[in-house]
Amino acid sequence: AQTVTQSQPEMSVQEAETVTLSCTYDTSESDYYLFWYKQPPSRQMILVIRQEAYKQQNATENRFSVNFQKAAKSFSLKISDSQLGDAAMYFCALPYGGATNKLIFGTGTLLAVQP
Amino acid sequence: EAGVAQSPRYKIIEKRQSVAFWCNPISGHATLYWYQQILGQGPKLLIQFQNNGVVDDSQLPKDRFSAERLKGVDSTLKIQPAKLEDSAVYLCASSLRRLAGAYNEQFFGPGTRLTVL
Repeated sequence: AQTVTQSQPEMSVQEAETVTLSCTYDTSESDYYLFWYKQPPSRQMILVIRQEAYKQQNATENRFSVNFQKAAKSFSLKISDSQLGDAAMYFCALPYGGATNKLIFGTGTLLAVQP
Repeated sequence: EAGVAQSPRYKIIEKRQSVAFWCNPISGHATLYWYQQILGQGPKLLIQFQNNGVVDDSQLPKDRFSAERLKGVDSTLKIQPAKLEDSAVYLCASSLRRLAGAYNEQFFGPGTRLTVL
């Protein structure tokens, strides 16, 4: 069965600094994607970054990047130059169910950004 | 492009009452999902539709929850009767029909926060 684990319930970072959020997962599929979603207080889930497991290169989207360790089943999110608008819940997510395109989410990490 | 619309944004009811949530997906998105997000947890899939057919409702408590997507566009999720433990945010998401070997991003609505007293 697929599982997603986020072991950091809360994190805090100073504005302009860098923070890393951790995620581990387990899946029986050989080819898969991994995602980080951001959920601000407005509750709208926003896709931050995706990683395709067959790609060795870590994904990068502006200030957001991942450290994908396939053998260790680890998928961490690094936020550089943190901004006040980055404050939110961050969820790691893993698709499952083959063609049905479903998602399983971790329990989330609440990120606070200090001015 | 308009996003996924949901209403109401907030709802407060007493236990044993009924409640319904509405979702309008992004135009052209064949797949629609309802998730339940209990405070402090990640979203959990309740039901998935492909057009107007159910793909997966294995985690839907069918004794009290029901959902429909009659014309393959809008969807409603109903709870009857509500219990205290149903207090949660109910998120709707939609995506294009999945193509083989690809993943279609799910786009989420703003959710409905339900409080059961």
